[in-house]
Amino acid sequence: ETGVTQSPTHLIKTRGQQVTLRCSSQSGHNTVSWYQQALGQGPQFIFQYYREEENGRGNFPPRFSGLQFPNYSSELNVNALELDDSALYLCASSVLAGGALSRELFFGEGSRLTVL
Amino acid sequence: AQSVTQLGSHVSVSEGALVLLRCNYSSSVPPYLFWYVQYPNQGLQLLLKYTTGATLVKGINGFEAEFKKSETSFHLTKPSAHMSDAAEYFCAVRRQGAQKLVFGQGTRLTINP
Repeated sequence: ETGVTQSPTHLIKTRGQQVTLRCSSQSGHNTVSWYQQALGQGPQFIFQYYREEENGRGNFPPRFSGLQFPNYSSELNVNALELDDSALYLCASSVLAGGALSRELFFGEGSRLTVL
Repeated sequence: AQSVTQLGSHVSVSEGALVLLRCNYSSSVPPYLFWYVQYPNQGLQLLLKYTTGATLVKGINGFEAEFKKSETSFHLTKPSAHMSDAAEYFCAVRRQGAQKLVFGQGTRLTINP
């Protein structure tokens, strides 16, 4: 168990709706990353947050947005849901020091989103 | 750009047999390399990592991997498979100083009794 917790574990939405996923990082960690894992594929980097600001982004459209709070917890928001957004969304926390990750990523168990 | 190729989306071995999961990467600079395991309906757990130093890296649950720069490979091995090793395995690469991990497509390992 890594200490990274995500909620909800499962949810179902319909196309066009909006969704918010939540993540509590491991104690002592100051950076949070989000990954999308489609069925049968490896995780894809969405973005990373550090000091409440986006600190790197993958190839995802602006309707994917996030927040990081002072306690280092985070939210992933997805607007105008599409069928292809159905996936497992993984949150990972780590420590960023001197501009580089000084620890490996610790992953939560994910939030499985189904878009109908 | 970095990329990771895992050869074989499915690997099946008998209990007690050698496990070999293959991973090749492309990177313009020496990367950090990782193997993660994912059990059904769970997140990713780090098995082992290579950053610098000794090229043979030992991880948890009896797994090890060897970084071969000349072959751009980081294959994962375990001398004797156990039923509990059945899972999805992901190889990943991260450029030094970068924030994101780049994952391979994964290899599903099945253990036959």
